[in-house]
Amino acid sequence: GDSVTQMEGPVTLSEEAFLTINCTYTATGYPSLFWYVQYPGEGLQLLLKATKADDKGSNKGFEATYRKETTSFHLEKGSVQVSDSAVYFCAVSDRDSSNTGKLIFGQGTTLQVKP
Amino acid sequence: NAGVMQNPRHLVRRRGQEARLRCSPMKGHSHVYWYRQLPEEGLKFMVYLQKENIIDESGMPKERFSAEFPKEGPSILRIQQVVRGDSAAYFCASSPPNSGRGDEQFFGPGTRLTVL
Repeated sequence: GDSVTQMEGPVTLSEEAFLTINCTYTATGYPSLFWYVQYPGEGLQLLLKATKADDKGSNKGFEATYRKETTSFHLEKGSVQVSDSAVYFCAVSDRDSSNTGKLIFGQGTTLQVKP
Repeated sequence: NAGVMQNPRHLVRRRGQEARLRCSPMKGHSHVYWYRQLPEEGLKFMVYLQKENIIDESGMPKERFSAEFPKEGPSILRIQQVVRGDSAAYFCASSPPNSGRGDEQFFGPGTRLTVL
C-alpha cells in the first residue's frame, strides 16, 4: 500500500537558519502530495500541496517540489522563525486507484526554532 | 464560516466504558474522514463516510469501533468497552462534494481521549 517516510526529528534550529525536512513516498497511480502543520494543541492545517510532477507548492516562505523521479517532496524554508515551531506532516492522497482520497501520513517531524 | 467542529475536546473514560466522539463538518461539506493519532506517531486513517454511507472503513479496528454520518446531525465515532490502548487524539476532517485527489481536507481540533 501507499506509504510516506519522513526524516526523524526533533529538528532544532536557530532563528533565520535554513530548513529542510525530507519526505519520500511510495504510491500507485498519480498521487497528490501535501504538507500539513500541527501547532501545539491544535488540529492540522494545510501548509502547501502539489498535484502533479514538477509542481512546486509554496506558502508562508515554505516550498516543496513534487519529484516523481525520486518520489520525494522535501519541505524547505530559507529562514525559519520561532513561530514556525510545530510538527510537520508529509502526506499523500491517491484517488485515481480504488483509494478514496484518504490521506496517508508520515510520522511527523517536530521542528523547534530557538531565538 | 465555521470550521470543522469536534466535541468534546477532551474525554476521560474508564476501561470498559463507551466513548462517543462527534464531528460537524464544514458547511457544505459532505465527506468526512476520521484519523487517529497515537502518542509520538503520525495520523492513521480510520474511516471515510458520506451522508448515510460508509465508503471506506479499512482503517477501523474490527471490534468495538463504529462510525456513522446520518442525514441530519454530526458524524459519530463510537468506541465500545474502551481499553488503555485507545488513548489517542482522534481527528475528523471534511471535504466538499466532488472533491478530487488534489483537494484539501479540513481538519478539526481533535478529541483527546484518555482511558484510565
